[in-house]
Amino acid sequence: GENVGLHLPTLSVQEGDNSIINCAYSNSASDYFIWYKQESGKGPQFIIDIRSNMDKRQGQRVTVLLNKTVKHLSLQIAATQPGDSAVYFCAENIYMIYNQGGKLIFGQGTELSVKP
Amino acid sequence: GAVVSQHPSWVICKSGTSVKIECRSLDFQATTMFWYRQFPKQSLMLMATSNEGSKATYEQGVEKDKFLINHASLTLSTLTVTSAHPEDSSFYICSARPGASGGNTQYFGPGTRLTVL
Repeated sequence: GENVGLHLPTLSVQEGDNSIINCAYSNSASDYFIWYKQESGKGPQFIIDIRSNMDKRQGQRVTVLLNKTVKHLSLQIAATQPGDSAVYFCAENIYMIYNQGGKLIFGQGTELSVKP
Repeated sequence: GAVVSQHPSWVICKSGTSVKIECRSLDFQATTMFWYRQFPKQSLMLMATSNEGSKATYEQGVEKDKFLINHASLTLSTLTVTSAHPEDSSFYICSARPGASGGNTQYFGPGTRLTVL
């Protein structure tokens, strides 16, 4: 299955800098993509999503970019703060015939560490 | 709104025993619930998809007789780890998706830490 036996890559940034977290997805038929933030010992927390008919979407301090040509997603966090320190996962939604709405397949994840 | 709870938040059990984990959608009805497993420093791996009133659909490599899923109502799904062994120790996370009007959005629970001695 996906992501078995892998360890998380890490990104270390200085407080106030911008962070860019990248993700490659696998299925060209995926129609919806989400970024999640996960703090230690907690469940994933929704950050921002984007549909496959868009290439950019902005939220508060966050921007998601989608490049379908190379199957690549990125999450940009502006003015990164210590509270942003967490593991960030991208997820792609894959449509299932037997289940409207599809299922999520999570990417590897990146551990973001923000230095004060 | 859109809160999902899990119970218990952590559990320690002896090898060979069975453990039940509950997942509840507190303020919406979930036609579909999902169960994930996460090992330390790894990503979430989907175990199964559960639709209310029907049998769960398991991902490849997940033993359905070991991980029993019941989705008896629109607000409750349970995962029972039968005859647990130390290698089943993991962080189990559920998510719930509202009915057709909710689209693709999944709301995640806080997770349950299972430790098998």
